[in-house]
Amino acid sequence: EVQLVESGGGLVQPGGSLRLSCAASEFTFNDHYMDWVRQAPGKGLEWVGRTRNKANGYTTEYAASVKGRFTISRDESKNSLYLQMNSLKTEDTAVYFCARAWYSGAYYSDYWGQGTLVTVSS
Amino acid sequence: IQLTQSPSSLSASVGDRVTITCRASQGISNYLAWYQQKPGKAPKLLMYAASNLQIGVPSRFSGSGSGTDFTLTISSLQPEDFATYYCQQVNTYPLTFGGGTKVEIK
Repeated sequence: EVQLVESGGGLVQPGGSLRLSCAASEFTFNDHYMDWVRQAPGKGLEWVGRTRNKANGYTTEYAASVKGRFTISRDESKNSLYLQMNSLKTEDTAVYFCARAWYSGAYYSDYWGQGTLVTVSS
Repeated sequence: IQLTQSPSSLSASVGDRVTITCRASQGISNYLAWYQQKPGKAPKLLMYAASNLQIGVPSRFSGSGSGTDFTLTISSLQPEDFATYYCQQVNTYPLTFGGGTKVEIK
């Protein structure tokens, strides 16, 4: 069974940094695009960004709200996905989910982790 | 691309037929997914490519639409279907979600 387990969330002050991790198992990690999606408390889902697979050069896309502050990376040797978050703002407070993107004409997020909570507050 | 879901919430009874709509601000072909989310849980993929049922999802769920207008229908609402539903377009970056539709018990 595909598993995605996020870690690294916590409390951070505005302007600070945090790195989230997502450990993947039971699928061929370097074949898949991977996404980060977040959800502020009591709010809807917001797509954060995506990294493409090895065949597509691990290139990335970001939401406008995080571009230039957040960086997605991956370590194939560890089957892990990362989200480096810098210059954090209070509005970045959310549960952050990683998701596997599966191809069927386009890439759809078919498996999700349980999420990790990031709180940005002084 | 903005996705507008309606209604934002609805109350229904077990056995009811429920329809949720998702309208895109520009054409997205059929590159639309539907997700179900229960409180404190991760979203679950229900439909992809607008009308394709994800493996393991009950057949009472169906999707339709292309271009800018899409619908998710639950033919006979079951107790486990009370949740929030989101559409997502995967046609153009940045990917976007609709605001969600909360389905509550009447």
